[in-house]
Amino acid sequence: QKEVEQDPGPLSVPEGAIVSLNCTYSNSAFQYFMWYRQYSRKGPELLMYTYSSGNKEDGRFTAQVDKSSKYISLFIRDSQPSDSATYLCAMSAVGVQGAQKLVFGQGTRLTINP
Amino acid sequence: SQTIHQWPATLVQPVGSPLSLECTVEGTSNPNLYWYRQAAGRGLQLLFYSVGIGQISSEVPQNLSASRPQDRQFILSSKKLLLSDSGFYLCAWTREFGNEQFFGPGTRLTVL
Repeated sequence: QKEVEQDPGPLSVPEGAIVSLNCTYSNSAFQYFMWYRQYSRKGPELLMYTYSSGNKEDGRFTAQVDKSSKYISLFIRDSQPSDSATYLCAMSAVGVQGAQKLVFGQGTRLTINP
Repeated sequence: SQTIHQWPATLVQPVGSPLSLECTVEGTSNPNLYWYRQAAGRGLQLLFYSVGIGQISSEVPQNLSASRPQDRQFILSSKKLLLSDSGFYLCAWTREFGNEQFFGPGTRLTVL
């Protein structure tokens, strides 16, 4: 079993829809949770960072963490064609010497149709 | 503000040739530095990380090595490339005791 599971999709939704992206994990030591957006042939861009259970909102994006269920989500409201990308979840435990070793999900490929 | 650079952006190399990829970070001191590889259609795999000059930790035994000759410079190397070394190589950094990790633009390596 992989430490982090993410449905690779692809996921296709109409413009303006609410998008829900999810990851589950098995390592209860994970404490830091991130969502990255990656456009084709580019490096991942950090979208959201959380370290506690609950919701964190930033503009059209909301990150949700449920540590008891080992489940994290990213919601995108009023989705735009420019949101079309691969979304990667990532998480880590407390690092040794401050190093943070991220474990990534496979990524979900999202397309927003105009 | 901080920026991270990687070069070259793309590279095509024959099997058995050497490799050197470079990553530099600007605008911060004592960063932790990371090398990842992303195979086609797959997530990122951590290869190496470094918490200081000359300090390298390897995550996956393989044909690659890493070095950190300066505080903000991280190099990924190989003496002889294999076909399986093809992929998208990403460098990342965090602040010394930070948790948010930021990625560079990547190097796309094709081994023929």
